[in-house]
Amino acid sequence: QLVQSGAEVKMPESSVSVSCKAAGGTINSYAISWVRQAPGQGLEWMGGIVPIFDTTKYAQKFQGRVTITTDESVSTVYMELSSLRSEDTAVYYCARDSEFGELRGWFDPWGQGTLVTVSS
Amino acid sequence: EIVLTQSPGTLSLSPGARATLSCRASQSVSSSSLAWYQLKPGQPPRLLIYDAASRATGIPDRFIGSGSGTDFTLTISRLEPEDFAVYYCQQYGSSPPRTFGQGTKVEIK
Repeated sequence: QLVQSGAEVKMPESSVSVSCKAAGGTINSYAISWVRQAPGQGLEWMGGIVPIFDTTKYAQKFQGRVTITTDESVSTVYMELSSLRSEDTAVYYCARDSEFGELRGWFDPWGQGTLVTVSS
Repeated sequence: EIVLTQSPGTLSLSPGARATLSCRASQSVSSSSLAWYQLKPGQPPRLLIYDAASRATGIPDRFIGSGSGTDFTLTISRLEPEDFAVYYCQQYGSSPPRTFGQGTKVEIK
């Protein structure tokens, strides 16, 4: 089970960090991805991390603005998005990748989602 | 990047009816690497189908995935009240990035 941090309200141009904790276990063997859904929009993969190798991949759209890190000691993955704009208002989900040790495959399970609102 | 196009955008059906949802890829999806998710308001996506036709753990057998190449289908054989939701397809044959369709809403007629 993946448990995410709570809702955030942020000013434009600021940054937000959302956490994703593996409750009752460890996450280091599987990759964790971040997927967002803006209001009225579909799902969008942002990037992910393979904690056991500390490797990351990011969608081109978010390159330079998103950073995904992990703290294996607390079984938690973090996603930081910078230079926020109103279009970043969305629900952000973490999800486990299906492939062992790789950022590949389908996503299951998912965190409960974190609403990030960007507004002045 | 593989673009997934889902149709129709909205499906209006009655409980007990059969729902047929389409997902078409802009290029062939290797190894039938396609999944389907159900999304309800206030809940995270729920994995229904992976590898185009394999049901995820605990998914009722009324959910049927099929297809290969560029054309995939999710069939709900007999709609239950809890099935009214938005459904997304996702490809993972070509990554990164893994991509999603824009969704099909199944609503009560």
